[in-house]
Amino acid sequence: SAVISQKPSRDICQRGTSLTIQCQVDSQVTMMFWYRQQPGQSLTLIATANQGSEATYESGFVIDKFPISRPNLTFSTLTVSNMSPEDSSIYLCSGLGQGAAEAFFGQGTRLTVV
Amino acid sequence: TQLLEQSPQFLSIQEGENLTVYCNSSSVFSSLQWYRQEPGEGPVLLVTVVTGGEVKKLKRLTFQFGDARKDSSLHITAAQPGDTGLYLCAGADKLLGSQGNLIFGKGTKLSVKP
Repeated sequence: SAVISQKPSRDICQRGTSLTIQCQVDSQVTMMFWYRQQPGQSLTLIATANQGSEATYESGFVIDKFPISRPNLTFSTLTVSNMSPEDSSIYLCSGLGQGAAEAFFGQGTRLTVV
Repeated sequence: TQLLEQSPQFLSIQEGENLTVYCNSSSVFSSLQWYRQEPGEGPVLLVTVVTGGEVKKLKRLTFQFGDARKDSSLHITAAQPGDTGLYLCAGADKLLGSQGNLIFGKGTKLSVKP
């Protein structure tokens, strides 16, 4: 199984600012994803992070608001841009290993926008 | 659009009781995973079921995949306070190509009182 390190674990940010969340995997994964989760609720997929190319976004999420980078197979970032209180949530990255359907998750970033 | 209906959404029981969580869909999944998440942490994989009719046991937890691979259940025997958490089922959809992405149920928030 892969170990995924995500940072920061939490942050409180002013509205209008941006926050970049980093995700590092200890082994190569074929696919990486970014999710959003309200506390105690299920996960909503934001996008699939593609290595060396633009991420694939789900309906309701756009690149200008959530730019994503994945420069190599083990690292990805998600930026939450021009934040508003509605962006307060938990953000999670996950990875899928080669030939696997199980996802491994980082510990999440709890974001509060004030 | 594939959907996974998970029930119940909330469950509060006394220590020692048994419980079952259900995950149902009208779609066929190539595999289904169950995750458990504690506050402040990312989801942790409990089990993957792949074959229709498959039953897997993990100590007091019993997982079953429906014969048609459209539904699954998680049964906990003699629940303990340490079982408290958010339980998520997720289906893998290989029809999207490659590993595709996981489709998550809405989650079951379990509270086991001593």
